[in-house]
This record gives sequence, structure tokens and C-alpha cells, in this order.
Amino acid sequence: AQKITQTQPGMFVQEKEAVTLDCTYDTSDQSYGLFWYKQPSSGEMIFLIYQGSYDEQNATEGRYSLNFQKARKSANLVISASQLGDSAMYFCAMREGPDYGQNFVFGPGTRLSVLP
Amino acid sequence: DGGITQSPKYLFRKEGQNVTLSCEQNLNHDAMYWYRQDPGQGLRLIYYSQIVNDFQKGDIAEGYSVSREKKESFPLTVTSAQKNPTAFYLCASTNQRTGSIASKAFFGQGTRLTVV
Repeated sequence: AQKITQTQPGMFVQEKEAVTLDCTYDTSDQSYGLFWYKQPSSGEMIFLIYQGSYDEQNATEGRYSLNFQKARKSANLVISASQLGDSAMYFCAMREGPDYGQNFVFGPGTRLSVLP
Repeated sequence: DGGITQSPKYLFRKEGQNVTLSCEQNLNHDAMYWYRQDPGQGLRLIYYSQIVNDFQKGDIAEGYSVSREKKESFPLTVTSAQKNPTAFYLCASTNQRTGSIASKAFFGQGTRLTVV
């Protein structure tokens, strides 16, 4: 079974508008972390934001925020005021606790295109 | 500046050849990882190492081999047994010593391998 699901292969957003990228996850571990990475066409992976399973508040980093709904097992990324430079692939990833290897598991990604 | 260096950026392999991808980090991180990314896909774990002289198979280890003789270095060899090696390869590291799943992964720039 897929541990990380990103149901939107591609998304379009108008410049300066907000966009939400979906991510749902599957784990039976109580302690886990959720990450979002951006991959521009150059290929490098850029860390955006992190949410811990015990964090009570949604994480925010500048224009990025994470809409964390633990009961629904979802961790959607919200980008506010989109910029042309936000056009890239976005990956949701999960890291489980020591009993589950502590390795990162990545979703299939969402390609975001920002329109001028 | 600390970071992860992968080389070469582009690599061409003939059928039946072994090739080695280099990954060096100066972040003093304990854990290192190799991922494979196919076009339009997410990252899949090939091998990982949490400490020098120890490494574990990931989800798609067949046809690959690694070594971890130094903390800074985690080279990946793509052997002739790997039937479809054309892909983008990413090396990553995390500071496992924090003992926290919050430790984000730092990535190299990637190596694009093509079989000719």
C-alpha cells in the first residue's frame, strides 16, 4: 500500500493567488514527521517545511504553511501569494520512528505551474 | 559552505558496464541515502547507511552496491545486473545523532545516468 499519496499530478495557479497541494499518508506509528520538498527543473531537492506528529500547531515557514489534520492523516501544503519561481515539482515525505526504520518515504509528487 | 556534492552531473554507461556515482558530504552527518528518480515519479530508496561500515538495502537495491568506508563518502555502483539504470540519482544525508525524526534530509544536486 502507498504510504504517501499525492492525488494531484499537476496543478495550475495564477500568480499571486494561493494554492493547496494535497498529501495523505498511512502509518501506524505514533511518532512521525512530515516534510515537503520542492524540486525545480534543475533537479535539486529543496526543503520547505516540517510537521511533527505531536505538534499541536500547523507549521508555517514564510509563504508556506502546512494544513495538518491528524485524524484524517493529511498534511496539505499551502503556498500563499504564488510566484513564477514556485513552478516546480513538490514532494510530500514521511519519516517514521526508529521501529519503522526512520527512513524517508516520498510521494509521487505534484507538478505546480504558476501562470503569469 | 557545508553540503553534499554528487559527481558527475551527467554519466553515460554502455551496456554491461559498471559505473560508480560519487557522493561526498561535509555536514558531519551520520546517515546517508541513495534514491532513484524516474521521469515524473517520486524518489525510491536504493540503499542507506546510518553509520560507517554499515549499510542496508532499500526498496530497490537489486543491481546496485554501496560502500561506507568513511563518514563523508557513500559511493553507489550501478552494476551490469541493473537492467534499466537510466534515471536520476539523488544522494542525501541527515544528522541522525539528534535522534529525532525531525532531522530533514539534505540533498545533492543529483547525477543523471543514461545507458547508451
